[in-house]
Amino acid sequence: SAVISQKPSRDICQRGTSLTIQCQVDSQVTMMFWYRQQPGQSLTLIATANQGSEATYESGFVIDKFPISRPNLTFSTLTVSNMSPEDSSIYLCSGSRDRGSVGELFFGEGSRLTVL
Amino acid sequence: AQKVTQAQTEISVVEKEDVTLDCVYETRDTTYYLFWYKQPPSGELVFLIRRNSFDEQNEISGRYSWNFQKSTSSFNFTITASQVVDSAVYFCALSEVGNAGNMLTFGGGTRLMVKP
Repeated sequence: SAVISQKPSRDICQRGTSLTIQCQVDSQVTMMFWYRQQPGQSLTLIATANQGSEATYESGFVIDKFPISRPNLTFSTLTVSNMSPEDSSIYLCSGSRDRGSVGELFFGEGSRLTVL
Repeated sequence: AQKVTQAQTEISVVEKEDVTLDCVYETRDTTYYLFWYKQPPSGELVFLIRRNSFDEQNEISGRYSWNFQKSTSSFNFTITASQVVDSAVYFCALSEVGNAGNMLTFGGGTRLMVKP
């Protein structure tokens, strides 16, 4: 199984600032995704991180608010821009080796953001 | 559109009791995958099982067992002789094969508390 590490693991941020979360996978994965888990809630897909091109965003999420990069197969970043208290969540990076079929999705430990 | 419902938001049992976590799903596809993940207090999502829509055989892995019933669109998870270490939030998830690679729709999660 792939090991996915994220940093920071947690942070406390001020309203109006931006924070970039990094995700590193220990082996090549074909697909990488970013999820958000609001307090006490389930996981919601933010976007699919595409290598070398713009991410594919889900309904309700936009690039200006959540810019994503994926310069290579094993690394991706998610930025939460102009944060407000409503952005307080756990942000999880995930990856899979499968394309065209559905396999196991590996998750990092998440980055817990608190916005004051 | 796909949807996953976990009607039980919280379950509390005493150690050694058996417990079943319910999962009901909706999909228009005939080919899809179902998953269960465990999220302990540390926050990481731990993969438990993947089942495709053509395999309705029940599965047992140690104290864990899964009952997949297409007729009722359910994929229930049973823990036998529960232990305190089983305390976590459990998520059921669905992926349709037509999705652009492994996009999972998660249920709301069931928080399981196992008391000594």
